[in-house]
Amino acid sequence: NAGVMQNPRHLVRRRGQEARLRCSPMKGHSHVYWYRQLPEEGLKFMVYLQKENIIDESGMPKERFSAEFPKEGPSILRIQQVVRGDSAAYFCASSPDRPPGELFFGEGSRLTVL
Amino acid sequence: GESVGLHLPTLSVQEGDNSIINCAYSNSASDYFIWYKQESGKGPQFIIDIRSNMDKRQGQRVTVLLNKTVKHLSLQIAATQPGDSAVYFCAENMMVAPLVFGKGTRLSVIA
Repeated sequence: NAGVMQNPRHLVRRRGQEARLRCSPMKGHSHVYWYRQLPEEGLKFMVYLQKENIIDESGMPKERFSAEFPKEGPSILRIQQVVRGDSAAYFCASSPDRPPGELFFGEGSRLTVL
Repeated sequence: GESVGLHLPTLSVQEGDNSIINCAYSNSASDYFIWYKQESGKGPQFIIDIRSNMDKRQGQRVTVLLNKTVKHLSLQIAATQPGDSAVYFCAENMMVAPLVFGKGTRLSVIA
């Protein structure tokens, strides 16, 4: 039973380009969460999705960031027109049910903006 | 001993000793708490969880204590091993809101 799969593990973009991060949840999990982590800091909640629906996006920046979790395929976190401040590790997690409960995390996607 | 640096607070422990990592949570209405371990370059891994109707829960070598009066959570690791070196995060849920993570503590095990 594969865990949460994230790709790419490392992504380098120049300022102004777009970054797309993908997340396949664990088998049987329909709830997906995206968190962002800066070096030496905790994980900051960004968005919570359930198949085809955004449940909570209170942690998402108002501009340039979007997330989706289509009926088929992985969840995508999209960052348009990246800036240096977007450089961070982005973690995806999944759960079989809605909160509260354990989240199962992927290994993260590390975005570097030059 | 424990020190607070510019970034994550660090706890240094001798191998074989017990470790106690503390966490002050923010929301008195939170009803579920969880500890995660994060090794360098990896995603957080579940250690142990506890619901607000309990004040103590034990796992293998780990114990979580919850004091709702002062909004305090602690993780005790018995007979700390070098493999326990990592950053430890507490996190809290309030009802159906997503997990909110604390700042984290780096545990450094001295062989």
